[in-house]
Parts: sequence; structure tokens; C-alpha cells
Amino acid sequence: QKEVEQNSGPLSVPEGAIASLNCTYSDRGSQSFFWYRQYSGKSPELIMSIYSNGDKEDGRFTAQLNKASQYVSLLIRDSQPSDSATYLCAVVYGSSNTGKLIFGQGTTLQVKP
Amino acid sequence: KAGVTQTPRYLIKTRGQQVTLSCSPISGHRSVSWYQQTPGQGLQFLFEYFSETQRNKGNFPGRFSGRQFSNSRSEMNVSTLELGDSALYLCASSTGQGSTGELFFGEGSRLTVL
Repeated sequence: QKEVEQNSGPLSVPEGAIASLNCTYSDRGSQSFFWYRQYSGKSPELIMSIYSNGDKEDGRFTAQLNKASQYVSLLIRDSQPSDSATYLCAVVYGSSNTGKLIFGQGTTLQVKP
Repeated sequence: KAGVTQTPRYLIKTRGQQVTLSCSPISGHRSVSWYQQTPGQGLQFLFEYFSETQRNKGNFPGRFSGRQFSNSRSEMNVSTLELGDSALYLCASSTGQGSTGELFFGEGSRLTVL
């Protein structure tokens, strides 16, 4: 079982729709979870972090965490063509303060005008 | 505030050679992590250095090594290059304290092995 799993996509949504990106992880002890966005030809950039069960909202982005199910998701409301990118789920394995950040393969999102 | 700087940006080597990549973290950041990114495997963790000590290590062979200097700058070395080492090598820095998941990436060093 991979440490962090994502559907590679592509996930295609029309402009203005909600995009839902999902991720599962294998370490029950993990406490820190992140979403990074990577545009084609660019480096990953951090867009969301979540540490507690439930939802965390930041503008059009909502991260959801369910530790019991070992599941993390990212919702993008009112999707825009500029949101087209690869979204990487990342989980800290080991201690939250000293562990290593492991990435999933990423889900490619295409937002069609 | 300057970002993470990686050099060189592009390089071509032949099988059997070795290569050294350099990374200068954001000022004040004491942790540097290295990742290999390929289309097939995605972002794979190589190692992380904090205050000149390797704090975490991924599942790469011993040909891959790194170090960190007292000014937090880091280098990684790959010896006896193989074709499969062709990849984008990304360096990321963080404060190293608190959550270790908040990384700032450099633009990467793209290595081609012929």
C-alpha cells in the first residue's frame, strides 16, 4: 500500500463548478496534512494545511480531514481556469515536528471555460 | 525576502559520472529537504537536513547523499549515475521547527543522464 494515494485524474470540471480532490494515507499516527498546487513547469506551492478532524476553509478552498477513515480531501468552489494544475496531497510521517513530508502522485485538475 | 535558490538549473551527464546539486534556503530557514520528481513516480522524498544533521531519509540507494553546511546551505550528490536518475531534483526549505510540512520549494535542478 502506498503511503499517500491519490487518483491521478485528469479531473475535468466546468468553470464555476466545485472540484473535489481526494487522498488517502496509510499511517494512522499521522497528524499533519497538506495540499500543494503545482502548475505545469513550476514547483509545488503550499495552499492548505489541516491538522484536526473536520473542515478548514480558506477563500474558495476547503480542506476536509477524517483521521478515522485516513482520508483527506480538498474542495475548490467556483472553479476557475486558473485553478487548472496538479494538486498534491502530502502527509507528515513520524512526528509532526520532525517527521518527513510524503507526497501523493497528484491529481491533475482541468477547469474548462 | 529571497526564495529558495537551486543551482545549476539544468545539467546533462553521462552514465557513471557523478553530480552535485546545490540549494540555498530562505534566510532563517534551518531545514532543507530534497525530492526527486519524475512523471512516473511523482515526488519522492530523498532526505532532510536540519542544523547540519540528516534528520530523515527516504528509500533511495546509497549513491544518493547529501550534506548541510553551517549556513544552512545544502548539497546533494549522486554518484555512478544511471539513466533512471534523470529527473527534476527539488529542494525545499522550512524553519525546521513546528510543523515540518510547510515547505517552500526552489525551481529545481533538471538532470538528464545520457
